[in-house]
Amino acid sequence: ILNVEQSPQSLHVQEGDSTNFTCSFPSSNFYALHWYRWETAKSPEALFVMTLNGDEKKKGRISATLNTKEGYSYLYIKGSQPEDSATYLCALSLNTGNQFYFGTGTSLTVIP
Amino acid sequence: DTEVTQTPKHLVMGMTNKKSLKCEQHMGHRAMYWYKQKAKKPPELMFVYSYEKLSINESVPSRFSPECPNSSLLNLHLHALQPEDSALYLCASSQAGGLGYGYTFGSGTRLTVV
Repeated sequence: ILNVEQSPQSLHVQEGDSTNFTCSFPSSNFYALHWYRWETAKSPEALFVMTLNGDEKKKGRISATLNTKEGYSYLYIKGSQPEDSATYLCALSLNTGNQFYFGTGTSLTVIP
Repeated sequence: DTEVTQTPKHLVMGMTNKKSLKCEQHMGHRAMYWYKQKAKKPPELMFVYSYEKLSINESVPSRFSPECPNSSLLNLHLHALQPEDSALYLCASSQAGGLGYGYTFGSGTRLTVV
C-alpha cells in the first residue's frame, strides 16, 4: 500500500482569499504527480501533470509546485471564487506499474 | 470527442441481482481502468485493461467481472454483490503506457446494494 496524503481534508475560505493545500507522497520510484479538480456529480478534471523536481505549472489563478526530493506538491489558488469550490485530488504515478495512487482529496468551499 | 461516458449514473440493486456498468471512450486511448471510491477514501484501483487485455486485477472478488469487448468499451459485470460494495465506481482511460499523460475520467456510477 502506498500512502499519498493530502491536507487539509477540508477548507472553507472567503471569496477573494488566496489558499493552498498540500499533497505528500513517498519519493522513491517517482514518475509523475497529477492534480485533478472534482466537482460533485461531474468527472474529475485534469489540472496539472508534473514530472520534474522544481516544476511549477500555472492555469489562470491556480498554480502548483513539485518537490520530488522531499515528496510534496503544493496547489495554490489566488483570489478564490465560488466556482473554485470542489475537491482537489492529487495522484502519484510511479516508474513501475501502470496505475495511479490517489490521495483522499482536499474539499474546498469558497463562501461568497 | 474528449469524454469518457459512464452509464448508468445511479444504480440500486439487490444482492441476488445481476447488473452491468458501462464505460465508453472514443479518444483512441488504449488503457482503461475501473476504480472504486468509498466516502472520504481515495479512489482504489480495481482493474486495468491495456490494448483490450486485462493487465492488472487488484485482488478484486469474483462477484466483479470486467470485460473489454473492444478498444472503446469497458464493462463491469456485477453479480451477488454485498451491501459493502456500495460505492462510486469510476472509469478512466489514458494513452497506454503514458502515465505522464494522466487519466480522462467518467463521472462515475453511484451504486447502492440493498
